[in-house]
Amino acid sequence: LAKTTQPISMDSYEGQEVNITCSHNNIATNDYITWYQQFPSQGPRFIIQGYKTKVTNEVASLFIPADRKSSTLSLPRVSLSDTAVYYCLVGDVFSGGYNKLIFGAGTRLAVHP
Amino acid sequence: DAGVTQSPTHLIKTRGQQVTLRCSPKSGHDTVSWYQQALGQGPQFIFQYYEEEERQRGNFPDRFSGHQFPNYSSELNVNALWLGDSALYLCAGSVRGSTDTQYFGPGTRLTVL
Repeated sequence: LAKTTQPISMDSYEGQEVNITCSHNNIATNDYITWYQQFPSQGPRFIIQGYKTKVTNEVASLFIPADRKSSTLSLPRVSLSDTAVYYCLVGDVFSGGYNKLIFGAGTRLAVHP
Repeated sequence: DAGVTQSPTHLIKTRGQQVTLRCSPKSGHDTVSWYQQALGQGPQFIFQYYEEEERQRGNFPDRFSGHQFPNYSSELNVNALWLGDSALYLCAGSVRGSTDTQYFGPGTRLTVL
């Protein structure tokens, strides 16, 4: 499972776009990139998952360059309720369902009024 | 709401005692994974159950054991509690062989005094 590196913390203001970059230099061919969001005293919640190029859903966008050694989670027009810890995970989702998740320390995003 | 339930919500124990935590995954999810999350850190994988057997295990001592029932619900047991076991314990449900994400419950906050 590839190790990931992401900023410890970030600050933003309501209405701004936030981009959180994750580095995963040793990503393997079968690895996917997944982002989770976690509020205090709650379990992590899936945000988005991708393999290459760009993925977009109703919550966020995920940009993955061609070499796949990094990825960027983009949150458009954040609000106070987006204040949370964001985790970037890399792993093989096709490994027979043995989808053990390896979390790092995550990025603590604080959105200010 | 991820449809995953955990009980109890909070628990206080003293050193040396034993504790049992319970988890019911989302309907149709046949695999249950348990994670320990210390304050300020990312969740750490404990073990995973499928078909009532432990399939994977993280770097946790034998004091941590589990069980899965025919209805896919699961228990986490911790014996000989010590202060370092104080944490948020999360369970996550998933479908074996699926590329879909894991769905986490709200967790059980365990405090060991």
